[in-house]
Amino acid sequence: EPEVTQTPSHQVTQMGQEVILRCVPISNHLYFYWYRQILGQKVEFLVSFYNNEISEKSEIFDDQFSVERPDGSNFTLKIRSTKLEDSAMYFCASSEEGNPSYEQYFGPGTRLTVT
Amino acid sequence: AQSVAQPEDQVNVAEGNPLTVKCTYSVSGNPYLFWYVQYPNRGLQFLLKYITGDNLVKGSYGFEAEFNKSQTSFHLKKPSALVSDSALYFCAVRDGRDTGFQKLVFGTGTRLLVSP
Repeated sequence: EPEVTQTPSHQVTQMGQEVILRCVPISNHLYFYWYRQILGQKVEFLVSFYNNEISEKSEIFDDQFSVERPDGSNFTLKIRSTKLEDSAMYFCASSEEGNPSYEQYFGPGTRLTVT
Repeated sequence: AQSVAQPEDQVNVAEGNPLTVKCTYSVSGNPYLFWYVQYPNRGLQFLLKYITGDNLVKGSYGFEAEFNKSQTSFHLKKPSALVSDSALYFCAVRDGRDTGFQKLVFGTGTRLLVSP
């Protein structure tokens, strides 16, 4: 069964450093998403991406964040200058369509630890 | 704005007994409702969804959920719990008004503990 994959599984970085989190969505899916889950808290939406453009973003997704689809398979989340409060589990997701009736499929997550 | 409430942090049930994990929602348009399960060190796995039609929807691993419009609820159920069902369960909602409303809004999650 096709699945969303994410690398790395765990990333440790120092405050102020740039990090890139990588995701490979399911191959025939057209919509891509990033969510995050701070330890012990709910899963929060960050951004959705379609046709090489951001289609929706939350207030969390400020100028420090960017997303890119550098080739036909990868989807990346970049944090330009990490802060302690960016420590969280980051989930990538994809869906076949953007219609709200279509479920999103999630990757296993990347645990980001900012020290 | 959409919101989801999962009033129980944890639900304890004995193996073989029925289980219910509660979820209520608030959304302006038609609700599209989802349940996901998260096992330790794993991502969120899709269980089932309600879009329209029959209020009782069936999903993976024997789970089902009942949509109740008047109570704005979408409780997850299973007739006979297994120890392997122990995990974190998330209810989520999307607003059905427009394809632009793509984000999933999650509840805080309910930990299900099934004892042998």
